Amino acid sequence: EIVMTQSPATLSVSPGERATLSCRASQSVSSDLAWYQQKPGQAPRLLIYGAATRATDVPERFSGSGSGTEFTLTISSLQSEDFAVYYCQQYNDWPPKTFGPGTKVEIK
Amino acid sequence: EVQLVESGGGLVQPGGSLRLSCEASGFSFSRYKMNWVRQAPGKGLEWVSYISPDSDRTIYYADSVKGRFTISRDNAKNSLYLQMNSLRAEDTAVYYCVREGGYSSGYNFDYWGQGTLVTVSS
Repeated sequence: EIVMTQSPATLSVSPGERATLSCRASQSVSSDLAWYQQKPGQAPRLLIYGAATRATDVPERFSGSGSGTEFTLTISSLQSEDFAVYYCQQYNDWPPKTFGPGTKVEIK
Repeated sequence: EVQLVESGGGLVQPGGSLRLSCEASGFSFSRYKMNWVRQAPGKGLEWVSYISPDSDRTIYYADSVKGRFTISRDNAKNSLYLQMNSLRAEDTAVYYCVREGGYSSGYNFDYWGQGTLVTVSS
């Protein structure tokens, strides 16, 4: 089973600032990496797939990069609605399609 | 509009059983792969089970539920199910019904239900 790790666990950012979230896989997942956003009391929402492709209706301020074992989600200028928990997920070698533990982006 | 509506959650004693249902609408349910994903209170996401859309019904389970949970679907009723037996305290979670999308979502989890809470406690 591929183990996903994320850092940091919590990221404190001021509105308008840039946020950089990291995700690491225990073995190569090529570009088979997705990012999800989850706000309190809501279901997760697909943001990025294929490591770098934005899902439908996802704002351009969200961008993904990386391949192999190291991945990054960047939010270029944080808006109030972006404060949430972000999960990465690999789908290269499954089952299971494993998720990372999440990074909480909070208001500084 | 795609909608996934779960039901069947509740409080159950350890060792008990529960059947979750998910009613799908707004898309051709029979053409899509479906999953259950759960989230324990205050914790992260855990994939639970997968079922293919077609008659060969390829099915997978997380090791944590294998032998206790059974996924099924009724395409005529646009419904997905999860039969949960021998429930344990660690199965306490919100259970999400999740569609695996097509090419436009990289075949990822593109639609999620609102979730149904399962609490296993005496």
